[in-house]
Amino acid sequence: GAGVSQSPSNKVTEKGKDVELRCDPISGHTALYWYRQRLGQGLEFLIYFQGNSAPDKSGLPSDRFSAERTGESVSTLTIQRTQQEDSAVYLCASSQRLAGGSYEQYFGPGTRLTVT
Amino acid sequence: AQTVTQSQPEMSVQEAETVTLSCTYDTSESDYYLFWYKQPPSRQMILVIRQEAYKQQNATENRFSVNFQKAAKSFSLKISDSQLGDAAMYFCAYRSFNNDMRFGAGTRLTVKP
Repeated sequence: GAGVSQSPSNKVTEKGKDVELRCDPISGHTALYWYRQRLGQGLEFLIYFQGNSAPDKSGLPSDRFSAERTGESVSTLTIQRTQQEDSAVYLCASSQRLAGGSYEQYFGPGTRLTVT
Repeated sequence: AQTVTQSQPEMSVQEAETVTLSCTYDTSESDYYLFWYKQPPSRQMILVIRQEAYKQQNATENRFSVNFQKAAKSFSLKISDSQLGDAAMYFCAYRSFNNDMRFGAGTRLTVKP
Protein backbone atom coordinates (compact mmCIF):
# COMPACT_ATOMS: atom_id res chain seq x y z
CA GLY A 1 0.00 0.00 0.00
CA ALA A 2 0.96 3.64 -0.19
CA GLY A 3 3.21 5.09 2.46
CA VAL A 4 3.09 8.50 4.09
CA SER A 5 3.18 11.25 1.51
CA GLN A 6 4.01 14.91 1.94
CA SER A 7 3.65 17.90 -0.32
CA PRO A 8 5.30 19.91 -1.57
CA SER A 9 8.67 18.18 -1.49
CA ASN A 10 10.42 21.53 -1.62
CA LYS A 11 9.16 25.01 -0.83
CA VAL A 12 10.99 28.30 -1.15
CA THR A 13 9.26 31.31 0.31
CA GLU A 14 10.03 34.87 1.19
CA LYS A 15 10.39 35.97 4.77
CA GLY A 16 7.05 37.09 6.14
CA LYS A 17 4.90 34.91 3.92
CA ASP A 18 2.66 32.11 5.19
CA VAL A 19 3.21 28.51 4.12
CA GLU A 20 1.11 25.39 4.35
CA LEU A 21 2.61 21.91 4.37
CA ARG A 22 0.53 18.81 3.79
CA CYS A 23 0.77 15.27 5.08
CA ASP A 24 -1.24 12.25 3.94
CA PRO A 25 -0.79 9.44 6.48
CA ILE A 26 -1.17 5.75 5.85
CA SER A 27 -4.83 4.82 5.75
CA GLY A 28 -6.04 3.54 9.12
CA HIS A 29 -3.22 5.08 11.12
CA THR A 30 -4.74 6.93 14.03
CA ALA A 31 -1.65 8.75 15.26
CA LEU A 32 0.12 11.45 13.25
CA TYR A 33 3.27 13.40 14.16
CA TRP A 34 5.04 16.46 12.82
CA TYR A 35 8.77 17.00 13.32
CA ARG A 36 11.24 19.66 12.29
CA GLN A 37 14.78 18.74 11.29
CA ARG A 38 17.27 21.53 10.87
CA LEU A 39 20.32 20.90 8.72
CA GLY A 40 22.62 18.33 10.30
CA GLN A 41 20.50 18.04 13.41
CA GLY A 42 18.07 15.60 14.96
CA LEU A 43 14.30 15.57 14.88
CA GLU A 44 12.48 18.17 16.92
CA PHE A 45 8.97 17.15 17.94
CA LEU A 46 6.32 19.69 17.02
CA ILE A 47 2.85 18.22 17.44
CA TYR A 48 0.95 14.98 17.37
CA PHE A 49 -2.63 13.94 16.81
CA GLN A 50 -4.12 10.77 18.22
CA GLY A 51 -7.54 9.75 17.06
CA ASN A 52 -10.21 12.21 18.14
CA SER A 53 -8.33 13.44 21.20
CA ALA A 54 -7.05 16.98 21.51
CA PRO A 55 -3.62 17.24 19.86
CA ASP A 56 -0.44 17.56 21.86
CA LYS A 57 0.91 20.93 20.77
CA SER A 58 3.67 21.13 23.34
CA GLY A 59 6.45 21.12 20.75
CA LEU A 60 5.26 24.02 18.63
CA PRO A 61 8.00 26.68 18.88
CA SER A 62 5.76 29.74 18.62
CA ASP A 63 2.20 30.84 17.94
CA ARG A 64 3.16 31.26 14.28
CA PHE A 65 2.97 27.49 13.99
CA SER A 66 -0.33 25.63 13.89
CA ALA A 67 -1.57 22.31 12.59
CA GLU A 68 -4.87 20.70 11.82
CA ARG A 69 -6.01 17.23 11.03
CA THR A 70 -9.26 16.19 9.42
CA GLY A 71 -10.49 13.11 11.25
CA GLU A 72 -7.88 10.42 10.79
CA SER A 73 -6.70 11.60 7.41
CA VAL A 74 -4.84 14.58 5.99
CA SER A 75 -2.96 17.01 8.20
CA THR A 76 -1.69 20.47 7.38
CA LEU A 77 1.06 22.36 9.18
CA THR A 78 0.84 26.11 8.76
CA ILE A 79 3.64 28.54 9.46
CA GLN A 80 2.62 32.18 9.47
CA ARG A 81 4.94 35.11 8.85
CA THR A 82 7.86 32.80 8.10
CA GLN A 83 11.31 33.63 9.42
CA GLN A 84 14.70 32.46 8.18
CA GLU A 85 15.11 30.25 11.25
CA ASP A 86 12.07 28.29 10.07
CA SER A 87 14.17 26.88 7.23
CA ALA A 88 14.33 23.13 7.78
CA VAL A 89 12.94 19.82 6.65
CA TYR A 90 9.50 19.15 8.07
CA LEU A 91 8.79 15.46 8.53
CA CYS A 92 5.45 13.82 9.07
CA ALA A 93 4.97 10.33 10.51
CA SER A 94 1.98 8.14 11.24
CA SER A 95 1.52 5.06 13.35
CA GLN A 96 -1.13 2.50 13.93
CA ARG A 97 -2.16 2.84 17.53
CA LEU A 98 -3.39 5.59 19.79
CA ALA A 99 -1.17 4.83 22.74
CA GLY A 100 0.94 2.06 24.08
CA GLY A 101 2.47 -0.70 22.00
CA SER A 102 5.68 -0.51 20.07
CA TYR A 103 4.09 0.16 16.71
CA GLU A 104 6.61 1.95 14.58
CA GLN A 105 6.21 5.36 13.06
CA TYR A 106 6.22 5.45 9.28
CA PHE A 107 7.81 8.61 7.98
CA GLY A 108 7.09 10.63 4.90
CA PRO A 109 9.88 11.98 2.68
CA GLY A 110 9.62 15.42 4.23
CA THR A 111 9.16 18.95 2.92
CA ARG A 112 12.29 21.04 2.65
CA LEU A 113 11.35 24.63 3.50
CA THR A 114 13.71 27.46 2.60
CA VAL A 115 12.90 30.96 3.77
CA THR A 116 14.81 33.66 1.89
CA ALA B 1 10.40 15.81 29.85
CA GLN B 2 12.33 12.90 28.49
CA THR B 3 15.66 13.60 26.82
CA VAL B 4 17.71 11.41 24.53
CA THR B 5 21.46 11.86 24.21
CA GLN B 6 23.72 10.55 21.49
CA SER B 7 27.25 11.50 22.48
CA GLN B 8 28.92 10.50 19.20
CA PRO B 9 28.22 13.00 16.41
CA GLU B 10 30.25 10.90 13.97
CA MET B 11 31.50 7.33 13.83
CA SER B 12 33.50 5.42 11.27
CA VAL B 13 33.84 1.69 10.67
CA GLN B 14 35.67 -0.51 8.21
CA GLU B 15 33.50 -2.62 5.96
CA ALA B 16 32.80 -6.05 7.52
CA GLU B 17 33.77 -4.80 10.97
CA THR B 18 31.54 -4.14 13.98
CA VAL B 19 30.55 -0.74 15.34
CA THR B 20 28.56 0.32 18.38
CA LEU B 21 26.53 3.53 18.56
CA SER B 22 25.72 4.93 21.99
CA CYS B 23 22.47 6.31 23.32
CA THR B 24 21.36 7.33 26.79
CA TYR B 25 18.04 8.73 27.90
CA ASP B 26 16.48 10.31 30.90
CA THR B 27 13.04 9.33 32.14
CA SER B 28 11.05 8.72 35.28
CA GLU B 29 8.70 6.30 33.56
CA SER B 30 8.88 2.53 33.84
CA ASP B 31 6.98 1.66 30.65
CA TYR B 32 8.35 3.00 27.40
CA TYR B 33 9.78 2.00 24.04
CA LEU B 34 13.11 2.62 22.42
CA PHE B 35 13.96 2.72 18.74
CA TRP B 36 16.87 3.14 16.40
CA TYR B 37 16.10 4.81 13.09
CA LYS B 38 18.35 5.13 10.06
CA GLN B 39 18.24 8.16 7.77
CA PRO B 40 20.22 7.79 4.53
CA PRO B 41 20.90 10.78 2.25
CA SER B 42 17.49 10.22 0.67
CA ARG B 43 16.05 11.66 3.91
CA GLN B 44 13.69 8.72 4.37
CA MET B 45 13.59 7.56 7.98
CA ILE B 46 13.75 3.79 8.30
CA LEU B 47 13.16 1.81 11.47
CA VAL B 48 16.17 -0.37 12.29
CA ILE B 49 15.19 -1.98 15.58
CA ARG B 50 12.87 -1.50 18.54
CA GLN B 51 12.92 -2.51 22.21
CA GLU B 52 10.13 -2.62 24.77
CA ALA B 53 11.38 -1.52 28.19
CA TYR B 54 9.55 -4.33 29.96
CA LYS B 55 11.52 -6.93 28.02
CA GLN B 56 14.84 -7.92 29.49
CA GLN B 57 16.01 -9.69 26.36
CA ASN B 58 17.92 -7.50 23.95
CA ALA B 59 16.31 -7.09 20.54
CA THR B 60 18.09 -8.34 17.44
CA GLU B 61 17.37 -7.89 13.74
CA ASN B 62 19.82 -9.74 11.56
CA ARG B 63 23.11 -7.79 11.75
CA PHE B 64 21.64 -5.25 14.17
CA SER B 65 21.37 -5.77 17.91
CA VAL B 66 20.96 -3.60 20.96
CA ASN B 67 22.43 -3.57 24.44
CA PHE B 68 19.58 -2.34 26.62
CA GLN B 69 20.58 -1.46 30.17
CA LYS B 70 17.42 -0.21 31.84
CA ALA B 71 18.96 0.74 35.17
CA ALA B 72 21.67 2.71 33.42
CA LYS B 73 19.15 4.14 30.90
CA SER B 74 21.39 3.10 28.07
CA PHE B 75 20.40 1.75 24.66
CA SER B 76 23.33 1.14 22.32
CA LEU B 77 23.13 -0.22 18.78
CA LYS B 78 25.63 -2.75 17.49
CA ILE B 79 26.04 -3.23 13.76
CA SER B 80 27.91 -6.39 12.84
CA ASP B 81 29.55 -7.12 9.49
CA SER B 82 29.10 -3.48 8.44
CA GLN B 83 28.13 -2.88 4.83
CA LEU B 84 28.52 0.17 2.62
CA GLY B 85 24.74 0.54 2.65
CA ASP B 86 24.79 1.02 6.39
CA ALA B 87 26.26 4.49 5.95
CA ALA B 88 23.66 6.97 7.19
CA MET B 89 22.57 9.10 10.12
CA TYR B 90 21.33 6.97 13.00
CA PHE B 91 18.83 8.34 15.48
CA CYS B 92 17.95 6.91 18.84
CA ALA B 93 14.36 7.56 19.91
CA TYR B 94 12.31 7.25 23.07
CA ARG B 95 8.58 6.81 23.06
CA SER B 96 6.54 7.04 26.23
CA PHE B 97 3.50 4.91 26.82
CA ASN B 98 1.23 7.80 25.83
CA ASN B 99 2.97 8.29 22.49
CA ASP B 100 5.27 11.17 23.44
CA MET B 101 8.26 10.70 21.11
CA ARG B 102 11.74 12.18 21.47
CA PHE B 103 14.78 11.77 19.25
CA GLY B 104 18.49 12.15 19.87
CA ALA B 105 20.67 14.47 17.79
CA GLY B 106 21.95 11.61 15.67
CA THR B 107 25.23 9.88 14.84
CA ARG B 108 26.63 10.02 11.34
CA LEU B 109 28.07 6.62 10.42
CA THR B 110 30.67 6.33 7.68
CA VAL B 111 31.59 2.90 6.31
CA LYS B 112 35.03 2.64 4.72
CA PRO B 113 35.56 0.10 1.93
